[in-house]
Formats: sequence, structure tokens, C-alpha cells
Amino acid sequence: DTAVSQTPKYLVTQMGNDKSIKCEQNLGHDTMYWYKQDSKKFLKIMFSYNNKELIINETVPNRFSPKSPDKAHLNLHINSLELGDSAVYFCASSNRRVGLGSPLHFGNGTRLTVT
Amino acid sequence: AQSVTQPDIHITVSEGASLELRCNYSYGATPYLFWYVQSPGQGLQLLLKYFSGDTLVQGIKGFEAEFKRSQSSFNLRKPSVHWSDAAEYFCAVGAGGTSYGKLTFGQGTILTVHP
Repeated sequence: DTAVSQTPKYLVTQMGNDKSIKCEQNLGHDTMYWYKQDSKKFLKIMFSYNNKELIINETVPNRFSPKSPDKAHLNLHINSLELGDSAVYFCASSNRRVGLGSPLHFGNGTRLTVT
Repeated sequence: AQSVTQPDIHITVSEGASLELRCNYSYGATPYLFWYVQSPGQGLQLLLKYFSGDTLVQGIKGFEAEFKRSQSSFNLRKPSVHWSDAAEYFCAVGAGGTSYGKLTFGQGTILTVHP
């Protein structure tokens, strides 16, 4: 299946821990994103990578560190987790070369719960 | 700064009835507009997009939306709703240039369909 896939689907952890979320896309896209959806379903962009280069970096605590080993993968590492980090994190991809004709394709999300 | 407002948090319709979900945007340049649908536990699926040209755009699943610049609106419509349309709907405005892919989402409208 062609898709944006992220793992794990659910992640429950305690405050202070470090965790990672992985994302892979096999759509041949050159740009990947992390979006955060909070408890009120509000979606906000966190990061974007184009061909492994960081191009969008919103106001996000530096405990969040994205890593893109290649243009098909974008991982999100979170250090010293806090209660407020509980949210659903969505990975997405698009083809920047195509331009605006290439909309974002989203993964199914990772629900992170920090206790 | 761009913003999106979806005035209706929750809409309930009967199966077979027509549907209109409202979306108002604020953006300084030509807006690039999207409607996404999110089913419970799923990612966001693109319904349709508007970049330029014909102001009435057709999407998947029988949805359409009309861009009205004078009203800063991009309302989503469907002539006859099916029970499977029950989900949450998000309107989004996108930027071009170096901010390509940075979507600003509305707060979402939950659609409930009564049999």
C-alpha cells in the first residue's frame, strides 16, 4: 500500500522519559511534516523537512528534535516528556517539486499520553 | 497571519439531507484552500482543494466547495449525506513560497448523521 505510516499508533509513558515516533512514506514525496493535534482537535505544524533539510521550524520546545535520515523518513524524538506533550502527532508528506498541486498526505497519527 | 474559522463546532443532519459546512479564512494573498475529513482514530483525508480557476471545486465522495473571495469563504457542500459521512471536517488555508505545506487549520466541525 502506498501511504504515510507512523509507529507506534499509541504511546503511553511517564513524565521525564524520552520517546521517539517514526514516520515513513512510500509516495515518492520530497517533503515531510510533523503536525500536533491537541485535546481540542486543534492542528498545528511543528516541523517540515525537504530532502532532509529543515525548512519549517515553528515555535516548538527544543525538547522536540526531528531527524530525517532520508527523504522517505522523518522521525520525532522528544526528550523529558511533560504532561502538556500529550496529543496526537501526525506525520504528513507532499511533493514540493510539484508545488501547490501536491497536497499533504497524512498518516493515521500517534496518540501520545504522558502520565 | 493567516487564520481559519469554522463557526459550527457540531452539526447534525438526517441521512439523505443536504449539508453545508462553513469556513471563513483570513489571508493576505491568494489563498490556497483545502477541506480534510478525519474519521475516529484515523488520519486526515483530503476531500478537495482550491488553488485557482473555477471557484466551484469538486472533490471525492460527492463533496464540492465554493470559493467566494468577497466573503472570504470556502464552504463545503454535499447534496445528500450518507451515514458514512459522519466524521470531523477541517478547513485549512495554505501558504506558498518558503512556507509551502504550512497549513493553518480551523477548529473542525463534527458531523453527526441520523438515520
